[in-house]
Amino acid sequence: EDKVVQSPLSLVVHEGDTVTLNCSYEVTNFRSLLWYKQEKKAPTFLFMLTSSGIEKKSGRLSSILDKKELSSILNITATQTGDSAIYLCAVDRNTGNQFYFGTGTSLTVIP
Amino acid sequence: DTAVSQTPKYLVTQMGNDKSIKCEQNLGHDTMYWYKQDSKKFLKIMFSYNNKELIINETVPNRFSPKSPDKAHLNLHINSLELGDSAVYFCASSHWGLNTEAFFGQGTRLTVV
Repeated sequence: EDKVVQSPLSLVVHEGDTVTLNCSYEVTNFRSLLWYKQEKKAPTFLFMLTSSGIEKKSGRLSSILDKKELSSILNITATQTGDSAIYLCAVDRNTGNQFYFGTGTSLTVIP
Repeated sequence: DTAVSQTPKYLVTQMGNDKSIKCEQNLGHDTMYWYKQDSKKFLKIMFSYNNKELIINETVPNRFSPKSPDKAHLNLHINSLELGDSAVYFCASSHWGLNTEAFFGQGTRLTVV
């Protein structure tokens, strides 16, 4: 059975801290791994990763995929209260478009 | 312009009723999805649909059925609602068969009483 697991489930940090969120997967016919941020409503897209070892970066956020270890990390440096959200990892497969999501990591950044 | 829009945003209904949630996308995508997000915030795929194929997650009860009048719309019909159906339902869309992301609607919070 396909599986996407995220850790930790929740995290509380102070503003300015750096955090690393983890996502591991076991899926057949892997195509890509995606990260989303969910605040109050719709998940919003952050990154899509298809190749191992190539870092994607957007401001203070960065992510990298390790296909050998079947995992990805999402780093957030110099966290701000606006980073508080649920971070979701999803995997897309080559056979039939279905994005399978992990359990999510709830991040709370306190001033 | 909203890319993926769902209506209604909130729906409160009694057990046993039949209800529908509508979804429309204006992104020109050919694939649409329905997800259920439970109280623990786990997003579970229910259906994916394009003009060629409907993929149903096998754990979805047959009381749930997607209906697509055209490529831009995928509505969700739910028959004989149960308490356990209470959740937030998200519609999403993407291109089929490419390295691409899914775009999500704002969600419909369904409460069954």
